[in-house]
Amino acid sequence: EAQVTQNPRYLITVTGKKLTVTCSQNMNHEYMSWYRQDPGLGLRQIYYSMNVEVTDKGDVPEGYKVSRKEKRNFPLILESPSPNQTSLYFCASSMRRNYGYTFGSGTRLTVV
Amino acid sequence: DQQVKQNSPSLSVQEGRISILNCDYTNSMFDYFLWYKKYPAEGPTFLISISSIKDKNEDGRFTVFLNKSAKHLSLHIVPSQPGDSAVYFCAASAYKNTGNQFYFGTGTSLTVIP
Repeated sequence: EAQVTQNPRYLITVTGKKLTVTCSQNMNHEYMSWYRQDPGLGLRQIYYSMNVEVTDKGDVPEGYKVSRKEKRNFPLILESPSPNQTSLYFCASSMRRNYGYTFGSGTRLTVV
Repeated sequence: DQQVKQNSPSLSVQEGRISILNCDYTNSMFDYFLWYKKYPAEGPTFLISISSIKDKNEDGRFTVFLNKSAKHLSLHIVPSQPGDSAVYFCAASAYKNTGNQFYFGTGTSLTVIP
């Protein structure tokens, strides 16, 4: 089944403890993105990538890092999480630039 | 600063009637627009898109209209069905040589009443 898989689905962590949210797609897509969804703010793009080793900042990149060493994987790294990074996170991928994205099911992160 | 706005947080429509969801944007460099549908506890699902060189795109019951001079797009669903009840997000993109930078609206919750 073609899909975008995020792990974990739920995570509660403490301030300052580094964490990684993994994202993997099995559709050989070149384009991938990370978003966060917060009440009243919709989805905001954190980082995006158009291929291996090509990444760029989205609208809200502060406090996050990404890497794209393989086409299928696009992990989101929080080096020192803070409570304002408590959010619902989505990873998404697409086969080409002007095309709809396939989204993962989301990761609910709580930082205490 | 919100570059893509959906000013109606919610909309209720009778089954079989037309649903019209609206979206406004401020950046004239946006060249591609999309609509996504989202159910609770799921990721958004792509519905339909339109390039800035067009003013209309249809896919079954869904039609998207783009008015570039007004910086406005709308999604029409005809006829509306109870299964269409969800949150709808519009999104816009401007070309970047590093990939796709997208801006999303805050969503409109559509309820289709049987």
